[in-house]
Amino acid sequence: EAGVAQSPRYKIIEKRQSVAFWCNPISGHATLYWYQQILGQGPKLLIQFQNNGVVDDSQLPKDRFSAERLKGVDSTLKIQPAKLEDSAVYLCASSPRTNEQFFGPGTRLTVL
Amino acid sequence: AQSVTQPDIHITVSEGASLELRCNYSYGATPYLFWYVQSPGQGLQLLLKYFSGDTLVQGIKGFEAEFKRSQSSFNLRKPSVHWSDAAEYFCAVGPNNNDMRFGAGTRLTVKP
Repeated sequence: EAGVAQSPRYKIIEKRQSVAFWCNPISGHATLYWYQQILGQGPKLLIQFQNNGVVDDSQLPKDRFSAERLKGVDSTLKIQPAKLEDSAVYLCASSPRTNEQFFGPGTRLTVL
Repeated sequence: AQSVTQPDIHITVSEGASLELRCNYSYGATPYLFWYVQSPGQGLQLLLKYFSGDTLVQGIKGFEAEFKRSQSSFNLRKPSVHWSDAAEYFCAVGPNNNDMRFGAGTRLTVKP
């Protein structure tokens, strides 16, 4: 079974630029999550999708972050414009309904 | 509000020695409790979880954890550490599998 795929693996941008991350969950997993993991901290949930609907986006900074999950499969997370404090690893996870979360390898973002 | 504290930022043990990683949580009801491991450049992998039943939980890779309600703790143990266990370990708490709050993590170094 293929795992959660994420791209790119690394991204370096200047502040005020835009960036997008892509996630392909495990086939058949209804739930998809995006986490932000700042260096030295545990992952923090940004947004949770159930199929193509948003379940929880209470911790998503909506003035600059957006996410979508078209057709309930792949998902993209966008930051526009980026700030220095957005430097982090962005993790995507997926799960079958109400079951274990499976994590992708993450995208490491550096904002200069 | 739910929260997780991992008191040890970094632990070093010798290969073959026993290991205990501490986790304390704050939660209003009986929580779901998790331990994840993150190797460099990898996503998080679930080691074990507890939500009811026997308070001593067995996981993958020879790890176990014990839920102690009176101490609000869920410490992770392994009787004999291998060099491949060097990684970052995260404890997490939540009301179910989908809504987890992570601790800041404990980095494990294994000495030859």
